[in-house]
Order: sequence, then C-alpha cells, then structure tokens
Amino acid sequence: AQKITQTQPGMFVQEKEAVTLDCTYDTSDQSYGLFWYKQPSSGEMIFLIYQGSYDEQNATEGRYSLNFQKARKSANLVISASQLGDSAMYFCAMREAYTGGFKTIFGAGTRLFVKA
Amino acid sequence: KAGVTQTPRYLIKTRGQQVTLSCSPISGHRSVSWYQQTPGQGLQFLFEYFSETQRNKGNFPGRFSGRQFSNSRSEMNVSTLELGDSALYLCASSLAGQVQYEQYFGPGTRLTVT
Repeated sequence: AQKITQTQPGMFVQEKEAVTLDCTYDTSDQSYGLFWYKQPSSGEMIFLIYQGSYDEQNATEGRYSLNFQKARKSANLVISASQLGDSAMYFCAMREAYTGGFKTIFGAGTRLFVKA
Repeated sequence: KAGVTQTPRYLIKTRGQQVTLSCSPISGHRSVSWYQQTPGQGLQFLFEYFSETQRNKGNFPGRFSGRQFSNSRSEMNVSTLELGDSALYLCASSLAGQVQYEQYFGPGTRLTVT
C-alpha cells in the first residue's frame, strides 16, 4: 500500500539556521514523484519542491533542497537559513499512477516553529 | 496568471443538507483533484478529473461526487451531510495528470456541518 511517513510532528529551529524535515515513503512503483508543500495558518497549500523517481540529482529551489535517497525511500526537505515566515505545516507527498489515473497521498505533516 | 480559485470560502450547513463546492483551475490546467483535510485524518484524496473524466476516486462514500466541465472547472457535491463532513476541502490543479506535474492548490472551502 502507498504510504508516506513524517515522523516529526513538530520541530523547532533558530532563525537563520538550517533544518531537515524527514519523509519516508513506501511504493512498489518505479515511476513516481515526490513533493513538499507548505501550509501556513491561512490554510493554503504552497508547492515548494519536486523530485522525480528517475532524477539522479537532488532537487533544489532557492532555500529548499530535497535530500533524495532512493534506496532508503526517503525524501527529506532541507530548509537553509530559516526565516520567521517559514513557520508553518509542511507536508511530504507522493504521486504515482493508480487504477488508470494518478493519485497523490500526503504524510501527516510536520509543524515547524522558527524562533527569533 | 490567476491561481486556483474556490468558492465559497466558508460554508455552514445543517446535517442532512447537501452542498456544492466549486473550483476553477489555473488557465491551461486540465487536471483537477479534490482533497478533504481534517485534524484527525489529515489530507485525504477524494477524486481526480482529467478532461471531464473522473480517473480516480478515494475511499469515500457515494455521497461524495464531482464533475468537471469542458473548461476544466470542477464541482464537488456532498449529499446528506453528516457532522463528520466538516473539513477544509482543497482543490488542486495541474497541467496534466502525470507524476511530474506539481499541483497548485486553491485556498480551500471550509465547510462546517451543524
């Protein structure tokens, strides 16, 4: 069964420091996409970064990078130089083919608190 | 380019009523997915539409239905509302339905069932 696990319900980080949010996934498919989304208190989901299962290099988008370890089935998000505005809920998600279409499943999320 | 829009943003309904939520995807996006978010269950996949066809449906009862129009706009309907249907309903659009296309989410519709 498809599964996304985020083991850190909450994380604290000091402003300007880097933080790693963990994500492991479980799939038997060879082709899949891994995503991270940010959800501030306003509720809107904001796309941060994408990693394809066939991508050999780790994805980076500004201060966000994805530490992709395929053999371990992990896709950790690294936020460098944390800012107060990074305080939010972060979701790891996996998208793969499913019964003729595609399906995205989400982890339970990690709430990040950035301290001044 | 305008983002994904959802209407209404907030809704209060009584148990037993029905409700229709609307989603307008980003221009040019053909795939629309719906999710239910609750504190207890997290984000759960409801269904996915591509070019007016429902390609996938999550594990929800038949009271939950949807459709997509030729302009890619989508509606979701919940009949015979139950208290447990209170949730944030999120719509997401993507260029196509493939794995590599990120989904862009709307602001959501917060439904409260009393």
